[in-house]
Amino acid sequence: NAGVMQNPRHLVRRRGQEARLRCSPMKGHSHVYWYRQLPEEGLKFMVYLQKENIIDESGMPKERFSAEFPKEGPSILRIQQVVRGDSAAYFCASSPSRATNEKLFFGSGTQLSVL
Amino acid sequence: QQQVKQSPQSLIVQKGGISIINCAYENTAFDYFPWYQQFPGKGPALLIAIRPDVSEKKEGRFTISFNKSAKQFSLHIMDSQPGDSATYFCAASITGNEKLTFGTGTRLTIIP
Repeated sequence: NAGVMQNPRHLVRRRGQEARLRCSPMKGHSHVYWYRQLPEEGLKFMVYLQKENIIDESGMPKERFSAEFPKEGPSILRIQQVVRGDSAAYFCASSPSRATNEKLFFGSGTQLSVL
Repeated sequence: QQQVKQSPQSLIVQKGGISIINCAYENTAFDYFPWYQQFPGKGPALLIAIRPDVSEKKEGRFTISFNKSAKQFSLHIMDSQPGDSATYFCAASITGNEKLTFGTGTRLTIIP
């Protein structure tokens, strides 16, 4: 039973390029959450999605960031026109249903570096 | 506005000693308080969690103490081992709202 799978593990982009981060939830999990971790800081909530729906995007920057969780395939966090301040570790987590933080599992993250 | 404050930022404890990490929260609507353990290059993993209807929860060497009136909770690691060396995050959430609000983390180092 594979855990939450994130890829790539490391992503290097130049300023102005696009970054696409992928997250495959655990088997049987239909709820996905994205968090961002800046160096020496805790994780900050970005967005919560169910299949084909964005439930809560209150933590997403208003511009350049978008997320989706299609009916088929992984959840995607997309960052357009990256800037150096986007450099961070991006973690995806999944749960089997809503309001089940006890069953929330995190992936190993994608380390984004913007040159 | 940081809603969960965590201290200390780093902690060094001798093997066999007790590690204590503290967190304070502001939002009285929080009703779920987990602690996560994170090793380098890995995602956070749930270690232990508590709800405010109890003042203490123990699982093996790990204990959470919860003080509702002071809006504080702490993690105690008894008989600390080198394998406990990691970054620990406290967090809080409201049932029905899945967002976790994390503290800034404590880097724990257990020395022989």
